[in-house]
Amino acid sequence: SQQGEEDPQALSIQEGENATMNCSYKTSINNLQWYRQNSGRGLVHLILIRSNEREKHSGRLRVTLDTSKKSSSLLITASRAADTASYFCATDVNSGNTPLVFGKGTRLSVIA
Amino acid sequence: EADIYQTPRYLVIGTGKKITLECSQTMGHDKMYWYQQDPGMELHLIHYSYGVNSTEKGDLSSESTVSRIRTEHFPLTLESARPSHTSQYLCASGKGGYNEQFFGPGTRLTVL
Repeated sequence: SQQGEEDPQALSIQEGENATMNCSYKTSINNLQWYRQNSGRGLVHLILIRSNEREKHSGRLRVTLDTSKKSSSLLITASRAADTASYFCATDVNSGNTPLVFGKGTRLSVIA
Repeated sequence: EADIYQTPRYLVIGTGKKITLECSQTMGHDKMYWYQQDPGMELHLIHYSYGVNSTEKGDLSSESTVSRIRTEHFPLTLESARPSHTSQYLCASGKGGYNEQFFGPGTRLTVL
């Protein structure tokens, strides 16, 4: 069964607005990662948050993790048209000894 | 940009043909993965390897096979292609205990 589930499945916003995507998972994790995929391309790693961390920032990205609720959120501030992509969360449940489990992704459209 | 390469980028072939999708990485990563992904959809893990001469099947039942004779090379072979194999195939490599993955650009396969 799918470990990570992103919400919403699709999101459309205006340039300059903030975009928030959520990820829920089922089992205990070692870390949670977010990836971006532009249309027709491979995924690109954005940010990793460890299970003992609650919040992390990288440029315009802010990730939170709530292990009690088994959920994470990715916030993109001041979005740009170039942020249009699919965003996937992925969980590491066994400290790298088993493959990451990817969610189904959120498709973000940023309209100029 | 990750140093992981996939060839060919696009392939159109007829039913019944044998094909090999190539994946190479220059980062010295022990872990390598193959995913199948329909456009805009979730990733399905089909094979992975954690080192030379070690391969495992993923979550998605697949008629493909893989080999890992050299650290940098992880080819995927379809003995007899069918229209149901039409999809995008993504190769990735990974490092370390955090299990971060680096993706290639993908091979878009069409079987007629």
